[in-house]
Amino acid sequence: DVKVTQSSRYLVKRTGEKVFLECVQDMDHENMFWYRQDPGLGLRLIYFSYDVKMKEKGDIPEGYSVSREKKERFSLILESASTNQTSMYLCASSIPGTSGSGVYNEQFFGPGTRLTVL
Amino acid sequence: QKEVEQDPGPLSVPEGAIVSLNCTYSNSAFQYFMWYRQYSRKGPELLMYTYSSGNKEDGRFTAQVDKSSKYISLFIRDSQPSDSATYLCARPNYGGSQGNLIFGKGTKLSVKP
Repeated sequence: DVKVTQSSRYLVKRTGEKVFLECVQDMDHENMFWYRQDPGLGLRLIYFSYDVKMKEKGDIPEGYSVSREKKERFSLILESASTNQTSMYLCASSIPGTSGSGVYNEQFFGPGTRLTVL
Repeated sequence: QKEVEQDPGPLSVPEGAIVSLNCTYSNSAFQYFMWYRQYSRKGPELLMYTYSSGNKEDGRFTAQVDKSSKYISLFIRDSQPSDSATYLCARPNYGGSQGNLIFGKGTKLSVKP
């Protein structure tokens, strides 16, 4: 079974703090993604990575950065947390093309981190 | 147009009802669609996928694509309280970076016992 784990389920930080969210996958997937999910706005892609040290901006990269030093680990960094970054953060991984189950671009998600910035 | 449009609901039905969840898309060339299910305080997980038009059935779930109207649907027969979740439709981001999916905003379903 594919497993995607995220370092924290719940996190409370202060405005201005630097925040690190960690994601690890154990299936040797090339692609990894960071989303945030907010009521009424759905899943919005922040950044994704298709290889070690490679990254591309998603739809809402402002205020975030990412790091992928190892294939299995993808980190999301909030350089200076703000209250409007209070959200559910979801990490996902996939292989490009068809997975073992025959599904094209299937993404496997972690359980999410509920971040509150006070 | 990039988005997959989805009615956010919420949708509340009694146990045993037939549920219809729908999404619309913009480009008739799209052929591959997925349905993800997300339970409260969990990440989404793939429920079903469909390719091209027609129906695909898996137990109580049926996924349908109507290319002429650019409509995708998920039907749940004999709905159960355990089906209460948010359902997201998705499609590959053709022309974008490989591996990306475009998600609808999700429809929240509640099945009352």
